[in-house]
Amino acid sequence: DTAVSQTPKYLVTQMGNDKSIKCEQNLGHDTMYWYKQDSKKFLKIMFSYNNKELIINETVPNRFSPKSPDKAHLNLHINSLELGDSAVYFCASSHATMNTEAFFGQGTRLTVV
Amino acid sequence: AQSVTQLGSHVSVSEGALVLLRCNYSSSVPPYLFWYVQYPNQGLQLLLKYTSAATLVKGINGFEAEFKKSETSFHLTKPSAHMSDAAEYFCAVIPTGGFKTIFGAGTRLFVKA
Repeated sequence: DTAVSQTPKYLVTQMGNDKSIKCEQNLGHDTMYWYKQDSKKFLKIMFSYNNKELIINETVPNRFSPKSPDKAHLNLHINSLELGDSAVYFCASSHATMNTEAFFGQGTRLTVV
Repeated sequence: AQSVTQLGSHVSVSEGALVLLRCNYSSSVPPYLFWYVQYPNQGLQLLLKYTSAATLVKGINGFEAEFKKSETSFHLTKPSAHMSDAAEYFCAVIPTGGFKTIFGAGTRLFVKA
């Protein structure tokens, strides 16, 4: 069983479109994250949810909206996609209260054309 | 804000040679420290973590790291490189009292035959 799974793995879309990436974890963790990895491999946190509540919202355009229907799921919706949104997006989860490591999904490679 | 600095965006070693990847953290209080590895087109995988139990931490695949408070360092080493070690390596920190994982810029390890 995959611990943190994201879908889709690849996403190619045109500028201006709206798209969603889904993430699910079966580790029983209470906290989930979205990270963006740019072409230089730099990882930047975007959002974090703890028990369905938003606790981290970094400087991210409001075209990006996370949604957590329950603590096992954290989806990312992106409106009006731009060329600069092209990147690999990683979902992760952890036991935040235990300062443990984050478990990552395989990533979603988003290409905006 | 606490951060980690990885010295050298690229490191190249010969197969069988020592691997040394450098990481320094900025904090007056030792945080939780981690090393992650990312193989091509994959998510991040935990190699090892420091949580104050022991200064020398052993991880998977023969890697280890030593926490040195006086140098605010957490360098990653492996006595003998293998071709399969070629990947991107990230040092990361969870600040004391926090839970958000902050990543260094990454170091790409090349292993020559």
